[in-house]
Amino acid sequence: AQSVTQLGSHVSVSEGALVLLRCNYSSSVPPYLFWYVQYPNQGLQLLLKYTSAATLVKGINGFEAEFKKSETSFHLTKPSAHMSDAAEYFCAVSDSNSGYALNFGKGTSLLVTP
Amino acid sequence: KAGVTQTPRYLIKTRGQQVTLSCSPISGHRSVSWYQQTPGQGLQFLFEYFSETQRNKGNFPGRFSGRQFSNSRSEMNVSTLELGDSALYLCASSNDPPGAGNTGELFFGEGSRLTVL
Repeated sequence: AQSVTQLGSHVSVSEGALVLLRCNYSSSVPPYLFWYVQYPNQGLQLLLKYTSAATLVKGINGFEAEFKKSETSFHLTKPSAHMSDAAEYFCAVSDSNSGYALNFGKGTSLLVTP
Repeated sequence: KAGVTQTPRYLIKTRGQQVTLSCSPISGHRSVSWYQQTPGQGLQFLFEYFSETQRNKGNFPGRFSGRQFSNSRSEMNVSTLELGDSALYLCASSNDPPGAGNTGELFFGEGSRLTVL
């Protein structure tokens, strides 16, 4: 069965610093990988997705992620954090075995300090 | 283009009651999925409907059910509510899941927050 592990339930960075949110997955078939962001009292918004094309994926708001099959990782990065990036971030995996239902990680809460 | 609309946004029920939540997908999207979000269990897949047929189902008891109408609008129902059913219920729509030339991107609504007392 597929699964996602997000390392670090809480990450704190200074404004302007690098953001690195870690995600490792397991899947017995080629996966589709996603990063979603959730702001308080809102739904989920897609940041970026990997669907077997380029391994370096660029998303919205300056975020990007690199698919590394050998490490089964899909870490999310942003070169310079902004106060507005403070939110909950979820990594998710789907594949044909799950009928393409999203299997989410537990989430990482990003705090950005001035 | 209007996004995914969920109603009601907030509701309070008591144990033993039942509840129906509604979801209107993005125009043209034929697939609707439902997810439950709780602090303890995180985001969990409930079920997915496509063209009025349940195509996929998560690991939830039979008290949780859903349906989809011909206009792609969907409802989910929870009967005999328990305290543990308190959660944010998220609906998501897609034009089609991966494997059919699409990327399977889900567009989420803002959710219906259910509190069971």
